[in-house]
Amino acid sequence: GENVEQHPSTLSVQEGDSAVIKCTYSDSASNYFPWYKQELGKGPQLIIDIRSNVGEKKDQRIAVTLNKTAKHFSLHITETQPEDSAVYFCAARVNTGFQKLVFGTGTRLLVSP
Amino acid sequence: GAVVSQHPSRVICKSGTSVKIECRSLDFQATTMFWYRQFPKQSLMLMATSNEGSKATYEQGVEKDKFLINHASLTLSTLTVTSAHPEDSSFYICSALRDSGANVLTFGAGSRLTVL
Repeated sequence: GENVEQHPSTLSVQEGDSAVIKCTYSDSASNYFPWYKQELGKGPQLIIDIRSNVGEKKDQRIAVTLNKTAKHFSLHITETQPEDSAVYFCAARVNTGFQKLVFGTGTRLLVSP
Repeated sequence: GAVVSQHPSRVICKSGTSVKIECRSLDFQATTMFWYRQFPKQSLMLMATSNEGSKATYEQGVEKDKFLINHASLTLSTLTVTSAHPEDSSFYICSALRDSGANVLTFGAGSRLTVL
């Protein structure tokens, strides 16, 4: 089955710096890759996603890149702010009728003022 | 749009009792809902896929008699933890898949279960 690896597990940056989180997946048939932000005690919230027919997508300070050949995708946050501090999860959608997501292990991002 | 409400947000119960958690899609219909379990500082583990009007599909290792899932309508799925024990204490999160549109998953806010 699909396996998603995520690095780093923790990431500390200064406010204004960029942050990059990387994920790799194993199933070449996976076709949808969302990123979620989870704050303490809350459910995950979708922040950006990318489909397999696109190599890059950007939304203001957030961007995601996808390399299908290498089976990896990355989240880029520019001009980080303290409110970006949270746990970020990548995921890959298994190509089955049930649209299941397999999650990465999460990255705890801390943005210091 | 695309709001998923989960209730209760926190529940404490005694060992041996059953607890029901509700997951509602408030402004869209969801033929498919998913239930996840999350331990502290860990990732989300899919427990089961819930389909309206049919039996849930459980992931390997998840006891179907322990975690009863009912998806009786297009906007409501429930997870019942039966005969709960302290090891069932966890954060349970549901998500719902819109029937139409871009097939994006929307997550509930989660329910923290503590079994004494």
